Amino acid sequence: DQQVKQNSPSLSVQEGRISILNCDYTNSMFDYFLWYKKYPAEGPTFLISISSIKDKNEDGRFTVFLNKSAKHLSLHIVPSQPGDSAVYFCASCCFNAGGTSYGKLTFGQGTILTVHP
Amino acid sequence: DGGITQSPKYLFRKEGQNVTLSCEQNLNHDAMYWYRQDPGQGLRLIYYSQIVNDFQKGDIAEGYSVSREKKESFPLTVTSAQKNPTAFYLCASSIAGGLQETQYFGPGTRLLVL
Repeated sequence: DQQVKQNSPSLSVQEGRISILNCDYTNSMFDYFLWYKKYPAEGPTFLISISSIKDKNEDGRFTVFLNKSAKHLSLHIVPSQPGDSAVYFCASCCFNAGGTSYGKLTFGQGTILTVHP
Repeated sequence: DGGITQSPKYLFRKEGQNVTLSCEQNLNHDAMYWYRQDPGQGLRLIYYSQIVNDFQKGDIAEGYSVSREKKESFPLTVTSAQKNPTAFYLCASSIAGGLQETQYFGPGTRLLVL
């Protein structure tokens, strides 16, 4: 049962255009969402996050949108640059496990973004 | 420079052998985590620890063991009971392991079976 889904395995975008990466979740208990960027053979790097009390968070070229009713979030990168080419993971939090709260992250499968010069 | 280090970068395991992956952080974080990544999949939680001398199983703990004797260190042992150990292993840490915290990742260790 995949609680966080990134349905597009890959996305190809021209340099300077907008990249839109999508993520859907099923568990309404999730209330904090993160995007990570990962290069091959490296650990993920935190990009941006959003709490469920907001519907938008912006940081430079990166903006995350949250639609709670649709259980959907998206990451917009504008303008896209060749250095943005990487795998992007969305992650959702949080869970109460047996009465103990902790920040468990549930990850999507990732989307490979390729930005062409 | 604060961060998370993992060693080795590549590790080879023979059949029936236990191997230990190292994870060290100097961020003064209380919580540490181990994840496994397989091709085309997201990260799956193996074990986590919110405080020294305490740790909990994640979603896929079978065949793995951990210890947390020091705040800075959270080694993962892949035992011979883990039948499919080939994967990319990622260690992470966060301030306290509480809700709505960002986790920061190390560079990873790739484990291969000979």
